[in-house]
Amino acid sequence: DADVTQTPRNRITKTGKRIMLECSQTKGHDRMYWYRQDPGLGLRLIYYSFDVKDINKGEISDGYSVSRQAQAKFSLSLESAIPNQTALYFCATSYGANVLTFGAGSRLTVL
Amino acid sequence: EDQVTQSPEALRLQEGESSSLNCSYTVSGLRGLFWYRQDPGKGPEFLFTLYSAGEEKEKERLKATLTKKESFLHITAPKPEDSATYLCAVLRGGGSEKLVFGKGTKLTVNP
Repeated sequence: DADVTQTPRNRITKTGKRIMLECSQTKGHDRMYWYRQDPGLGLRLIYYSFDVKDINKGEISDGYSVSRQAQAKFSLSLESAIPNQTALYFCATSYGANVLTFGAGSRLTVL
Repeated sequence: EDQVTQSPEALRLQEGESSSLNCSYTVSGLRGLFWYRQDPGKGPEFLFTLYSAGEEKEKERLKATLTKKESFLHITAPKPEDSATYLCAVLRGGGSEKLVFGKGTKLTVNP
């Protein structure tokens, strides 16, 4: 099994729908992150969490929310999806300010 | 504002043709510079961390070097399996604890 598992891997939805992307990890890491990757823009940080009670906004948090349900689980929600949220989303984990371990990605298409 | 610029955006090499990828950065108090490799449809995978100017790290055909303003990823005698997008990221000091990624260099090695 992968160290960082993201579900779903692919999702097509319509404008205005609520979407949740889930991430779970078996690394035992304290820190978890959600990134968005767009062609030509690189990886941009949406939200990050240093422990269950610590949630922080990244550089592009508008339109997104997160929940850290447990040390191993970190979910990203789009309350009302819009087409410009079409992107590849990555969850990542780290131990301290150290090397990130990424999941395989969740490709979201908003029509 | 922290900036990470990678060049070239894309690079095509023949098998065995050595070259270098560049990552230039502007960051206050560099704590670490990271190189990742990303294959299509997958999450980035960690390659190297460099912490101070003059440091070098090697792994198979790859060697990463660091100066006060930039890092190079040297690829010696590349093979087709080295084809991927290579990402550079910096971690700055001052308690930021967040990586800033460049947009990547897409490397294609033709047989």
